[in-house]
Amino acid sequence: GAGVSQSPRYKVAKRGQDVALRCDPISGHVSLFWYQQALGQGPEFLTYFQNEAQLDKSGLPSDRFFAERPEGSVSTLKIQRTQQEDSAVYLCASIPRLALYEQFFGPGTRLTVL
Amino acid sequence: AQTVTQSQPEMSVQEAETVTLSCTYDTSESDYYLFWYKQPPSRQMILVIRQEAYKQQNATENRFSVNFQKAAKSFSLKISDSQLGDAAMYFCAYRSANSGYALNFGKGTSLLVTP
Repeated sequence: GAGVSQSPRYKVAKRGQDVALRCDPISGHVSLFWYQQALGQGPEFLTYFQNEAQLDKSGLPSDRFFAERPEGSVSTLKIQRTQQEDSAVYLCASIPRLALYEQFFGPGTRLTVL
Repeated sequence: AQTVTQSQPEMSVQEAETVTLSCTYDTSESDYYLFWYKQPPSRQMILVIRQEAYKQQNATENRFSVNFQKAAKSFSLKISDSQLGDAAMYFCAYRSANSGYALNFGKGTSLLVTP
């Protein structure tokens, strides 16, 4: 079955490096969300897209974080000049339309910044 | 902003017994949705159950049921006949019906199921 997939599953970066995290939503899903989950915490909202439009980016913690979804399907979350506090699991979720309830989550990417 | 509080960092239950996980939330809205998600060690978030705030009837999904108290802003999850596969982190989440579609999560409760 084609669920939400994310790659890589694990990423280790040295402080100051740039990273790119990829999310492949379920085919046909219109809306896509990114969340950040620090160790021992619940996920926190970062940003969401409806098709290729980024409708809310209020959760992005700094201007080092950038997300895009240029063709309305695959999305990339980019973090520039990574810091240790960026270490977390980054979760992606998608839903068919905004009006529907359930967000389907991917397995996440665990980012460790050394 | 809405806040979701899960006051039990860890809970333990014996197999076949019943356990209740607590969740409270703070909101000024009247229309919203509440969810319980399960996150096993694989990290994949799985929806367990949802409740629409306008519905008075408590939601039920097989062994999982909720006690939704709108006035008290309380939304607890009851797991009956607990199974070893129920062991996971459980997150309570809130979503506005009218403004924004992001989920606001609590910090989670780690559920241990003992044989």
